[in-house]
Amino acid sequence: QKEVEQDPGPLSVPEGAIVSLNCTYSNSAFQYFMWYRQYSRKGPELLMYTYSSGNKEDGRFTAQVDKSSKYISLFIRDSQPSDSATYLCAMSADTGFQKLVFGTGTRLLVSP
Amino acid sequence: GAGVSQSPSNKVTEKGKDVELRCDPISGHTALYWYRQSLGQGLEFLIYFQGNSAPDKSGLPSDRFSAERTGGSVSTLTIQRTQQEDSAVYLCASSRGGGPSVDTQYFGPGTRLTVL
Repeated sequence: QKEVEQDPGPLSVPEGAIVSLNCTYSNSAFQYFMWYRQYSRKGPELLMYTYSSGNKEDGRFTAQVDKSSKYISLFIRDSQPSDSATYLCAMSADTGFQKLVFGTGTRLLVSP
Repeated sequence: GAGVSQSPSNKVTEKGKDVELRCDPISGHTALYWYRQSLGQGLEFLIYFQGNSAPDKSGLPSDRFSAERTGGSVSTLTIQRTQQEDSAVYLCASSRGGGPSVDTQYFGPGTRLTVL
């Protein structure tokens, strides 16, 4: 079993929909949680990170962490075709060196 | 300013050949990471450099894989006697490094390696 599980999708939604992307994990030592966005043929770029449990909002994006359930989510409001990409969750137990453990990524397709 | 750059962007090689992949990190970033992304797989950590030292090379899959970093800047990932299962996108990332806070990793575009 992988340390981090993520549904590969694809997830297809119409423009304007609310998107929910999720990851589950097994290592209770993880305390930093990140979401990366990766466009085709590009490297991942960091969208958001959270420390421990709770919510964090940045514009149309909201990240949630529930450490008791070992479950994290990324919500995208008012989704746009430009949001079409692969979204990777990543986690780390380290405070200094960020040895990241990634999910496989969920491919999101937002149709106009 | 320039981001992380990698070369070549694509590399096709024959089984058994050696390949070298290059990473130029963001100027001033002391930490450098190599990951591998295979089809249907997440990013797999390979090795981490702090300066020219590699305190964690636990992700290197076999002794055919090696990496070095010189001058605290450019890094080279070498794969000897390539196998078909080495086909993947090899991603490099860099970060400021050295601090106790969350240290954002900035990724390059990757090198797509195909072993025939």
